[in-house]
Amino acid sequence: DIVMTQSPDSLAVSLGERATINCKSSQSVLYSSNNKNYLAWFQQKPGQPPKLLIYWASTRESGVPDRFSGSGSGTDFTLTISSLQAEDVAVYYCQQFYRTPSTFGQGTKLEIK
Amino acid sequence: EVQLVESGGGLVQPGGSLRLSCAASAFTFSSYWMHWVRQAPGKGLVWVSRINSDGSKTSYADSVKGRFTISRDNAKNTLYLQMNSLRAEDTAVYYCARDLVYNSGWSYDTFDIWGQGTMVTVSS
Repeated sequence: DIVMTQSPDSLAVSLGERATINCKSSQSVLYSSNNKNYLAWFQQKPGQPPKLLIYWASTRESGVPDRFSGSGSGTDFTLTISSLQAEDVAVYYCQQFYRTPSTFGQGTKLEIK
Repeated sequence: EVQLVESGGGLVQPGGSLRLSCAASAFTFSSYWMHWVRQAPGKGLVWVSRINSDGSKTSYADSVKGRFTISRDNAKNTLYLQMNSLRAEDTAVYYCARDLVYNSGWSYDTFDIWGQGTMVTVSS
């Protein structure tokens, strides 16, 4: 199975500041035939199901605020929240869907400083 | 509103069985691959199983293979997960989730719509 490792495990950022979460896969999730990275990001708030934020590493899901952005390729990826809002407090997960079984990172807990 | 609603969770003894259901509404259920994903208390997300749009193709995580069976009834817009020989480590919230792409011949294995989840507790 592809192992997804996120860093840091937790993060505290001031309101209005930038938050950056990293995700590394144990093997490349870039599919050469279509040049797409099979990498998604999810947000999970307490007591709620996960919510899809980004797929193909950088494509924002409909309705997701543009302060959320994804970048990276191959094995190294980043989720950036450009200006942290109070409602962004959550656990964030990356997921590879390049190979079955799809696998998730361990999660990064984002809090307000 | 596009919605998935799970039911059927509860407390079951080790070795017991449970069947989960997931009712879909406001989208063409029969045109999507569907999945089950679980989350143990305080832990991360783990994919469990998937099924194609007409129910003819299924896949399972190694941890549940031979014990769990995924199925669907497109006439009822409902997804199922039959769980047998349950173990303590199966204790989790079980989510049903819709695959990303409509009317695809293959599963993209990422999920744009999730249900609220149903809790399964395996304990004596």
